[in-house]
Amino acid sequence: AQSVTQLDSQVPVFEEAPVELRCNYSSSVSVYLFWYVQYPNQGLQLLLKYLSGSTLVESINGFEAEFNKSQTSFHLRKPSVHISDTAEYFCAVSSSGNTPLVFGKGTRLSVIA
Amino acid sequence: NAGVMQNPRHLVRRRGQEARLRCSPMKGHSHVYWYRQLPEEGLKFMVYLQKENIIDESGMPKERFSAEFPKEGPSILRIQQVVRGDSAAYFCASSPGGSLRDTQYFGPGTRLTVL
Repeated sequence: AQSVTQLDSQVPVFEEAPVELRCNYSSSVSVYLFWYVQYPNQGLQLLLKYLSGSTLVESINGFEAEFNKSQTSFHLRKPSVHISDTAEYFCAVSSSGNTPLVFGKGTRLSVIA
Repeated sequence: NAGVMQNPRHLVRRRGQEARLRCSPMKGHSHVYWYRQLPEEGLKFMVYLQKENIIDESGMPKERFSAEFPKEGPSILRIQQVVRGDSAAYFCASSPGGSLRDTQYFGPGTRLTVL
């Protein structure tokens, strides 16, 4: 069965500093990867996803993630964070076909002014 | 286009009572997923439904839990004889189709507290 590991449960970072949120998944022949963001008291919103093609995917608000098959990783990065990026970030994986998303435990990003 | 609606947002039940959680998918979406988020845990898949059909219920506890998505009306997740361990946030997501290219859109969740 698929599994996702987010090693960092909490990441505090100063405003305008870079950040990396780590995500590793168990290996599979084919895999699809997602990052979701959850703001306080809200549902999850899709941030970006990798299905195929370019291994570097970007979101509209400056986040990017790179699919690294050899390291089974899909780390999320942003070169300069804002206070408004404070939220919980979930990495998720699914195998091909109609299989459900498997989520990591989440990383709480706190941006400090 | 309204997003995924869930109600109630907060639900308090005493042990042994029934809890009914409702999910109205986005307009045009016929696929619904239910997830449970326990404290300090990620979301865990429970069940995947299409109109009037359960497609995958591999994540549902064998007893006390049931789900439906009727032809008309919202999807319902029902928990009978609730216990304290059922306290969690329950999220519903909907998508227009069942392929991975169909993004799952999440509702705000229902936070169930069992006293």
